[in-house]
Amino acid sequence: AQSVTQPDIHITVSEGASLELRCNYSYGATPYLFWYVQSPGQGLQLLLKYFSGDTLVQGIKGFEAEFKRSQSSFNLRKPSVHWSDAAEYFCAVAESTGGFKTIFGAGTRLFVKA
Amino acid sequence: GAVVSQHPSRVICKSGTSVKIECRSLDFQATTMFWYRQFPKQSLMLMATSNEGSKATYEQGVEKDKFLINHASLTLSTLTVTSAHPEDSSFYICSARDLQGAGNQPQHFGDGTRLSIL
Repeated sequence: AQSVTQPDIHITVSEGASLELRCNYSYGATPYLFWYVQSPGQGLQLLLKYFSGDTLVQGIKGFEAEFKRSQSSFNLRKPSVHWSDAAEYFCAVAESTGGFKTIFGAGTRLFVKA
Repeated sequence: GAVVSQHPSRVICKSGTSVKIECRSLDFQATTMFWYRQFPKQSLMLMATSNEGSKATYEQGVEKDKFLINHASLTLSTLTVTSAHPEDSSFYICSARDLQGAGNQPQHFGDGTRLSIL
């Protein structure tokens, strides 16, 4: 069965600094990978997704992620963090066959300090 | 873009009440919808997969008699929390896949329902 690990429960970065959120997955076949962001009390917003092709994917709000099959990783990056980026970030993996069942990681809370 | 509407956004009710939550795909058809539950400061846990015209598939540990799911049309799935108790208080989120999209279309999420049982 697929699984997703986000090793960092929370991360604090200074505004303007770079950011990297880690995500490791476990799935037997080619995974579909996603990053979502959730503000408190809100639903999910899709930042970016990887299905195939270029392993470096660009998303909204200046985020990007790189798929590394050898490391089973899909880390999220942003070169310069803004205070409005403070939120909860979820990595998710969906099976590429069957019903597209999606499993979420535990999430990483991002704090941005001035 | 594709929109999923979830209603109500918030509900507060007494213990023992049954609560129905609706999930609608507004501008696309969805053969498959998913129901998630999220406790405070935790991740989304998949509860069940709802398939139009057939019985839902529940994840291990989810009581199907407690959480009734109906997916009667290609645009509507409902989750009914029967005889709700305080421990059922949570944030419930639905999502839907676009029937017409390619096999790799992501899910579209609703904005969630905050359920509070007193």
